[in-house]
Amino acid sequence: EAQVTQNPRYLITVTGKKLTVTCSQNMNHEYMSWYRQDPGLGLRQIYYSMNVEVTDKGDVPEGYKVSRKEKRNFPLILESPSPNQTSLYFCASSLRGSVTQYFGPGTRLTVL
Amino acid sequence: AQRVTQPEKLLSVFKGAPVELKCNYSYSGSPELFWYVQYSRQRLQLLLRHISRESIKGFTADLNKGETSFHLKKPFAQEEDSAMYYCALTASGSRLTFGEGTQLTVNP
Repeated sequence: EAQVTQNPRYLITVTGKKLTVTCSQNMNHEYMSWYRQDPGLGLRQIYYSMNVEVTDKGDVPEGYKVSRKEKRNFPLILESPSPNQTSLYFCASSLRGSVTQYFGPGTRLTVL
Repeated sequence: AQRVTQPEKLLSVFKGAPVELKCNYSYSGSPELFWYVQYSRQRLQLLLRHISRESIKGFTADLNKGETSFHLKKPFAQEEDSAMYYCALTASGSRLTFGEGTQLTVNP
């Protein structure tokens, strides 16, 4: 089944403890992206990647890192999480040049 | 810079009533507009895109370049339409800019 998966789905952590949220797609998509969803603010793009080893900042990249070593994976790294990073995170992917993005199920992160 | 605005955070209608979710955008070129929907506890999914001019689940949306709007409409709302709706824009072919979202509740 073609899909985007994220792990973990739920995570509660403490300030400053490094964490990684994984994202994987099995559709051979070139483009992958991370968003955070906050009430009243909608979805805001954190980082995106046009292909392997090509990443770029979105609208709210501060406090996040990404890597794209393989086409199928696009992990989101929080080196030192802070409470303002408590949010619902979505990964998405699409074929290059396609505007139809496929979203993962979301990861709800709480930073205490 | 591209921007999408959804002026209504919450919208409540009764079953069978018409519904219109507003979306306005700002972009100097020719963007492509979309509506995404997120049902409770589910992932976002594409509802429709302006370029295909299709009707999905009874919803339609017309791009009005003069008013820079892309409002989503349905003549007779159903309870299963209750969801969060996001208007989105792309100018680059991949990168999407989303609006703030409108939570639609259809009451029985």
